Amino acid sequence: GENVEQHPSTLSVQEGDSAVIKCTYSDSASNYFPWYKQELGKGPQLIIDIRSNVGEKKDQRIAVTLNKTAKHFSLHITETQPEDSAVYFCAASRVIFGKGTRLHILP
Amino acid sequence: DGGITQSPKYLFRKEGQNVTLSCEQNLNHDAMYWYRQDPGQGLRLIYYSQIVNDFQKGDIAEGYSVSREKKESFPLTVTSAQKNPTAFYLCASSPLRGTGELFFGEGSRLTVL
Repeated sequence: GENVEQHPSTLSVQEGDSAVIKCTYSDSASNYFPWYKQELGKGPQLIIDIRSNVGEKKDQRIAVTLNKTAKHFSLHITETQPEDSAVYFCAASRVIFGKGTRLHILP
Repeated sequence: DGGITQSPKYLFRKEGQNVTLSCEQNLNHDAMYWYRQDPGQGLRLIYYSQIVNDFQKGDIAEGYSVSREKKESFPLTVTSAQKNPTAFYLCASSPLRGTGELFFGEGSRLTVL
């Protein structure tokens, strides 16, 4: 079955700097790669997703890139703000999630 | 307001007792899912259902049971056979032919004493 590896598990960046979170997947048939943000005590919410026929997608300060050959995809957050502090999850095959990255934005 | 409602938000139980977590959605979604979240373990799939009266085991189904008698409802029972039941449980739903996005509830935190 599908396996998703996510790195790093914890990331601290200075406010205003960029943050990058990376995921690799095992099933080459996977074609949908969402990213979810989970705030404390809440359920995850989709923030951006990408399909396998696209290499990059942007939405304001967040972007996702996909390398199908290498089977990895990344979340990029630019100009980080305090409200970006949360846990971020990648997923593949829609329902298989990585272990999450706790992002801390330092003042 | 459309959404997914999980209850209770917090639950305490004694070891050896079964407990049922409720999940209700009014989004008219066909598929529903249960995940378990532990620190450092991410979201692990327990059970999922794509249609009423049918469900499939996920990666960690042992010690859990579900039912899907109505489209709107997908309750999860944590049985006494689950060796380490203390966790945060998340329910989600999605349309079968949607974009692929999962819509999550706010979770239920179960503590077994």
